[in-house]
Amino acid sequence: DAGITQSPRHKVTETGTPVTLRCHQTENHRYMYWYRQDPGHGLRLIHYSYGVKDTDKGEVSDGYSVSRSKTEDFLLTLESATSSQTSVYFCAISESNPGTNTEAFFGQGTRLTVV
Amino acid sequence: AQSVTQLGSHVSVSEGALVLLRCNYSSSVPPYLFWYVQYPNQGLQLLLKYTTGATLVKGINGFEAEFKKSETSFHLTKPSAHMSDAAEYFCAGEKSSGDKLTFGTGTRLAVRP
Repeated sequence: DAGITQSPRHKVTETGTPVTLRCHQTENHRYMYWYRQDPGHGLRLIHYSYGVKDTDKGEVSDGYSVSRSKTEDFLLTLESATSSQTSVYFCAISESNPGTNTEAFFGQGTRLTVV
Repeated sequence: AQSVTQLGSHVSVSEGALVLLRCNYSSSVPPYLFWYVQYPNQGLQLLLKYTTGATLVKGINGFEAEFKKSETSFHLTKPSAHMSDAAEYFCAGEKSSGDKLTFGTGTRLAVRP
């Protein structure tokens, strides 16, 4: 299994509070991604990173920010959590950029509930 | 952007029966296509992927998929379902021009004894 660790695995938080999810990899892959998974929507890309300090938005980036200060860590922050951000969040990594037919490896997921 | 459509959010088959999970893509550029599987409370793992060349792709656990350009399809099949195949399956695609990976909405497969 690819070395990807997400923390925490489960979290319950209150509306309006900031929340940070962490993704840690030991594979030294350049690309890292944050997805959210919701019933009927599959996986949707929130943000991704193509190197240290290099990030870009995905299709559902509103209300989220990311940071990547080291190759191995990619942080996702919900600046002020809302109930619509209740979801399962997955981190993924890949060695090469999309469009090169490279497999993405996924973490175990973080189940976030905003009450 | 690459668009991937999975037909049927839930599929139920009997153990030993054929599994057919449908995926269609829309693209003006030949895509790269993937099938991922997600077992309960786990992340996604790659079943198989399509590259240019052979249109019939074999993956892990006896699954295979056939790329049909004329039908813009990449359906996943397995001749004989096993109880352990019960999971959610995602089709995903990306363009060779460097677009990001796009997932379908998923198909949950149930296998009846």
